[in-house]
Amino acid sequence: DVKVTQSSRYLVKRTGEKVFLECVQDMDHENMFWYRQDPGLGLRLIYFSYDVKMKEKGDIPEGYSVSREKKERFSLILESASTNQTSMYLCASRKRLAKNIQYFGAGTRLSVL
Amino acid sequence: GQQVMQIPQYQHVQEGEDFTTYCNSSTTLSNIQWYKQRPGGHPVFLIQLVKSGEVKKQKRLTFQFGEAKKNSSLHITATQTTDVGTYFCAGSSGGYNKLIFGAGTRLAVHP
Repeated sequence: DVKVTQSSRYLVKRTGEKVFLECVQDMDHENMFWYRQDPGLGLRLIYFSYDVKMKEKGDIPEGYSVSREKKERFSLILESASTNQTSMYLCASRKRLAKNIQYFGAGTRLSVL
Repeated sequence: GQQVMQIPQYQHVQEGEDFTTYCNSSTTLSNIQWYKQRPGGHPVFLIQLVKSGEVKKQKRLTFQFGEAKKNSSLHITATQTTDVGTYFCAGSSGGYNKLIFGAGTRLAVHP
């Protein structure tokens, strides 16, 4: 079974803090994604990575950055957290060119106070 | 940019009733996927449709992809309490095969 693990289920941070959300997958998938999920808005793509050290902006990259130094790990960074970044963050991975199925982690619910 | 609209946003039904959610894209899609997210859970892949006019069935679930490849639907026959959750469609087109998700339809089933 594919396993996508996000380091925290719940996080509470203060405005202005630097926040790291970590995601690890164990299936040697080339592609990894970060989404945020908000009520009524569905899942919106923040950043994605097609392979190690590669990154592409998604639809809402402002206020975020990412790092993909190793194939299994994709990190989302909030350089200076703001209250409007309070959300559920979901990581996903996908085997390149294999049916396009994305496998999601359990999510991290981030609250910025 | 490309948008995927999904309706209704929320529906509650009595157990045994049917349920349908609809998805419309502003552009032609190369494929469409459906995911289910149980309360407190994460999205789980259900199915992918690729061909124009394609219809696929999974037990009580019927998925349809429009002829123009711009719309799709998911129909559940005789809902059960285990069907509770949010159903998302996600369309893909262009390079990189990014998925654009609809806002989801939250289904509540009353016993």
